[in-house]
Amino acid sequence: QVTLKESGPVLVKPTATLTLTCSISGFSLNTDSAGVSWLRQPPGKGLEWLAHIFSNDDKSYSPSLRTRLTISKDTSKSQVVLKMINVAPEDTATYYCARVAERVTSYGVRRGNWFDPWGQGTQVTVSA
Amino acid sequence: DVQMTQSPSSLSVSVGDSVTITCRASQDIYTYVNWYQQRPGKAPKLLVFAASRLQDGVPPRFGGSGSQTHFTLTINNLQPEDSATYYCHQYYGAPDTFGQGTRLE
Repeated sequence: QVTLKESGPVLVKPTATLTLTCSISGFSLNTDSAGVSWLRQPPGKGLEWLAHIFSNDDKSYSPSLRTRLTISKDTSKSQVVLKMINVAPEDTATYYCARVAERVTSYGVRRGNWFDPWGQGTQVTVSA
Repeated sequence: DVQMTQSPSSLSVSVGDSVTITCRASQDIYTYVNWYQQRPGKAPKLLVFAASRLQDGVPPRFGGSGSQTHFTLTINNLQPEDSATYYCHQYYGAPDTFGQGTRLE
């Protein structure tokens, strides 16, 4: 059974760095043609994709947040970490990690397909 | 970015009804569309992938169709547990983008 679980701080001060951890089980981070993605959902709003990390360690980021995000993985711990620098109140959201099915495009670029399953989410509030 | 315009934004329905939710893409995205269900307070769940393929374990009263710029999610014989928000998601253009959501009440 594939499961993912997010963890991290509930409250973060503006300008701080947010570090979120996704702990996975039931699949491997460097095989299985599957990666892990991070997404978020502000209170009462829709879903926003943030970043992918793929089985071969390729990474991709949302262009609007690229300069503030870093995604990495520790295969020995079965964890994927997302760091977001310089957080602001508008970063208040529920953050989800999800397994993402991979594909390789005709240009040789690795891309994500569908997100399944998702973790339960972790709520983060940015406030002084 | 590929814009996904989802409609309606909300819908009031009754048990046994059928509903169709629509997503329109701002460019041709072939069949690179997925649909998710999000029940209140829960994480999203994949229902349909690649426009029309039903995820394992999803009841067959859910169905997806469409291609290019027009996609639909149809739910037949609505059940109380279908009360949720539904999102379309395109993964053809980078970055991945989602529709605004359709809330079924």
